Amino acid sequence: DTAVSQTPKYLVTQMGNDKSIKCEQNLGHDTMYWYKQDSKKFLKIMFSYNNKELIINETVPNRFSPKSPDKAHLNLHINSLELGDSAVYFCASSQGGDRGPGDNYGYTFGSGTRLTVV
Amino acid sequence: AQTVTQSQPEMSVQEAETVTLSCTYDTSESNYYLFWYKQPPSRQMILVIRQEAYKQQNATENRFSVNFQKAAKSFSLKISDSQLGDTAMYFCAFMKDLAYSGAGSYQLTFGKGTKLSVIP
Repeated sequence: DTAVSQTPKYLVTQMGNDKSIKCEQNLGHDTMYWYKQDSKKFLKIMFSYNNKELIINETVPNRFSPKSPDKAHLNLHINSLELGDSAVYFCASSQGGDRGPGDNYGYTFGSGTRLTVV
Repeated sequence: AQTVTQSQPEMSVQEAETVTLSCTYDTSESNYYLFWYKQPPSRQMILVIRQEAYKQQNATENRFSVNFQKAAKSFSLKISDSQLGDTAMYFCAFMKDLAYSGAGSYQLTFGKGTKLSVIP
């Protein structure tokens, strides 16, 4: 069973389009995240949700909007895609919040979505 | 804010040899966690080893061990008996302990990574 699953794994789209990346975790974790890995492999947090509530919203263009319908899902919607949005986007989850990061410090990553904007 | 620095963008090691990857960090926190993650070409992020800052004993996981120097804010990873499958990007990461730092989430702050190549 896949613990954190992201779809799609690859996404090629034209500038100006709107696209979504979906993420689901079946670990019962309280907190979910989106990280962006740029072309130089640098990983940086974008958003963090704890029990459907936004906790962290780093300096990210407002074209990026996370949506958490329930604590097992955190989707990322991107409007008006730009060339600079090309990157790998990782979803992750952790036990997080008041209950601590968990025995293994909680983090489970999805396999990433490679977004290419042309 | 925390920063994590990996000063070696690329390294190589002969198969079966030992290699050490460096990591330093800057924080005003006294309680936190440190991690090494491996990212092979498959791009999956794999936890290699973790260290709780309050523990003086260095963590070990099979061929992987760390040298944690809290005062120096240094957290290096030693890979013994290197194998071809160890070829990957390695990321050092920092996480605040929210039990001491208050509300928020357990976000990871990553270094820029070290690309390790194991040569047959």
